[in-house]
Amino acid sequence: RKEVEQDPGPFNVPEGATVAFNCTYSNSASQSFFWYRQDCRKEPKLLMSVYSSGNEDGRFTAQLNRASQYISLLIRDSKLSDSATYLCVVTPGGGYNKLIFGAGTRLAVHP
Amino acid sequence: DTGVSQDPRHKITKRGQNVTFRCDPISEHNRLYWYRQTLGQGPEFLTYFQNEAQLEKSRLLSDRFSAERPKGSFSTLEIQRTEQGDSAMYLCASSIQPRNEKLFFGSGTQLSVL
Repeated sequence: RKEVEQDPGPFNVPEGATVAFNCTYSNSASQSFFWYRQDCRKEPKLLMSVYSSGNEDGRFTAQLNRASQYISLLIRDSKLSDSATYLCVVTPGGGYNKLIFGAGTRLAVHP
Repeated sequence: DTGVSQDPRHKITKRGQNVTFRCDPISEHNRLYWYRQTLGQGPEFLTYFQNEAQLEKSRLLSDRFSAERPKGSFSTLEIQRTEQGDSAMYLCASSIQPRNEKLFFGSGTQLSVL
C-alpha cells in the first residue's frame, strides 16, 4: 500500500465549478500535511498547509481528518489557471523530516 | 537569483555511463533534498541533508547513487553505471528548518538513459 494515495483523475470541470480532491495516508503518526501544485513540466510549489481545524485560502479550503487519515482540498469557482496537478503531501513523523508525495490528481478546467 | 538552481536542465547519456547533477539551494536554507519524479507519479524521496550532514537515504537509493553536500551549500548527486530505469526528472529542493517546512524546488534535471 502506498503511503499517500490520491485519485489520479483527470477531473475535467467547467469554469466556475466546485471540485474536491481526496487523499488518504497510511501512517497514523504523520505530523504535517500539505497540498502542492505542479503545472505541466514545472516544479511543485506549495499551495497550502493543512491544519487540524481546517483552513481556507481564498477559493481553496483544506480539511484534515486524523481519525480517518484523510485530507481533502476543495476549490470553489474554478478558473482556467487552476488547471494543474495537485499533490497531497505528508511528513511521516517519528523524527523523519522528509516530505512524502502522493501521485497527484490532475485537474483540467475548461471554458 | 533567490531560487533553487539545478544544472544541467537536461542530460542524455548512454547506459553504463556515470552522470553528476548539481543543485544550488537558496543561500540561507540549511536543508537540501533530492527527489526523483517519473511521468504520472509524484516526487519520490531520495535523500536529504541538514547542512553538510546526510541525515536520511531512501531504501530506493541503490549503491550506484551517491549525494554530497561538502560545505553545507551546493549539493551533487552522482549516478554510476546508469540504467534505463534511472531515466527521470531529478528534483532538488531546499528549506529552512526548523522554522518552515515549506520546500522550494528547483526546475529539475531531466535524465534520459539510452
